[in-house]
Amino acid sequence: DGGITQSPKYLFRKEGQNVTLSCEQNLNHDAMYWYRQDPGQGLRLIYYSQIVNDFQKGDIAEGYSVSREKKESFPLTVTSAQKNPTAFYLCATGGWSHPTGELFFGEGSRLTVL
Amino acid sequence: AQSVTQLDSQVPVFEEAPVELRCNYSSSVSVYLFWYVQYPNQGLQLLLKYLSGSTLVKGINGFEAEFNKSQTSFHLRKPSVHISDTAEYFCAVSGRGGGGSNYKLTFGKGTLLTVNP
Repeated sequence: DGGITQSPKYLFRKEGQNVTLSCEQNLNHDAMYWYRQDPGQGLRLIYYSQIVNDFQKGDIAEGYSVSREKKESFPLTVTSAQKNPTAFYLCATGGWSHPTGELFFGEGSRLTVL
Repeated sequence: AQSVTQLDSQVPVFEEAPVELRCNYSSSVSVYLFWYVQYPNQGLQLLLKYLSGSTLVKGINGFEAEFNKSQTSFHLRKPSVHISDTAEYFCAVSGRGGGGSNYKLTFGKGTLLTVNP
């Protein structure tokens, strides 16, 4: 099945620990994105990547890091520098065949920092 | 740069009633417009999109939206809602211009539609 797989779906961590959220896609899309969702605030863009080995900061990149070593994978690390990491994180993809901006979303990862 | 305003954060309606979820946008370039739906603890699913042509676009699950360029609006409507339509709805915009602007989708803050029996 073609799609986007995010893991884990739920994650609990202690304050001060780094955590990495996985996002894998088999849609052959060039562009991948990470959004953060908080109640009542909509989706805010953390990082995006249009091509392998290249990525750009979004609107709220501080305290996060990413890599794009393979077309299929775009992991997000939430570092201890992120002041308020508890949130729902969504990975999305698009591509040259979707220059209209339509995005395809994974099921999300809910991170809770205790 | 683009921005999106969803005018209602919550919309409660009774089953089988009509509903309209309002969305206004601002942009310095021509835009593509989208409505997405999110069910609890899930990702977003595309409901419909306006790219060009007819200003009335039809989507999945009986939803439709009308693009009004003069009012910079893209309101979502459904003539008769079901309990299963209870979800959060997001309006989004992307710029038609090149240079990577097509690759950044800007979302509104969402409207929670609650359909009551």
